[in-house]
Amino acid sequence: GNSVTQMEGPVTLSEEAFLTINCTYTATGYPSLFWYVQYPGEGLQLLLKATKADDKGSNKGFEATYRKETTSFHLEKGSVQVSDSAVYFCALSLYNFNKFYFGSGTKLNVKP
Amino acid sequence: DTAVSQTPKYLVTQMGNDKSIKCEQNLGHDTMYWYKQDSKKFLKIMFSYNNKELIINETVPNRFSPKSPDKAHLNLHINSLELGDSAVYFCASSQVTSGSSYNEQFFGPGTRLTVL
Repeated sequence: GNSVTQMEGPVTLSEEAFLTINCTYTATGYPSLFWYVQYPGEGLQLLLKATKADDKGSNKGFEATYRKETTSFHLEKGSVQVSDSAVYFCALSLYNFNKFYFGSGTKLNVKP
Repeated sequence: DTAVSQTPKYLVTQMGNDKSIKCEQNLGHDTMYWYKQDSKKFLKIMFSYNNKELIINETVPNRFSPKSPDKAHLNLHINSLELGDSAVYFCASSQVTSGSSYNEQFFGPGTRLTVL
């Protein structure tokens, strides 16, 4: 089947710390991979995406590389800010399909 | 301009009542979705409509009935509300194009439903 597994949260970091949120997937085809972010009280927003193996998605200092050999799409940021505090969702979508498979979300708390 | 909008933003009601949540998108997308997010932030798809046709109907009680009057609107009607229906409901839309390798979804701001 198709599924996404994320590391459990919450993750608590101090400002300027390095962030990694792990995400692995299983898929029956060749998925596209996404990271969405949900700020408190808001809907989900696309943070970055990668559509094929070895692609690197990046946005706002966040990066994730599509690793087919390890079926992973880990989210990283070199220096987090308090404003990055949010819930982060990893997701996959299959070619021509309408359905997204979301991970369970990882809450990030960044302290000043 | 708001891409995906939902009304109301908050909905507080008594058990047993019937309520509706409305969703509209102005992105010209052909596919719309309803998701339920529980208190632990777990996001579960409920329904998906493509060009007004139901294409995804997950295991959802039949008290929940989606209605799509046109491509830009997908409403969710809930009968006989129960305590367990309390959650945040998100509408989303995407353009599912044949031959495309992905279909990014755009989410609305959510409707927080509280059943007392």
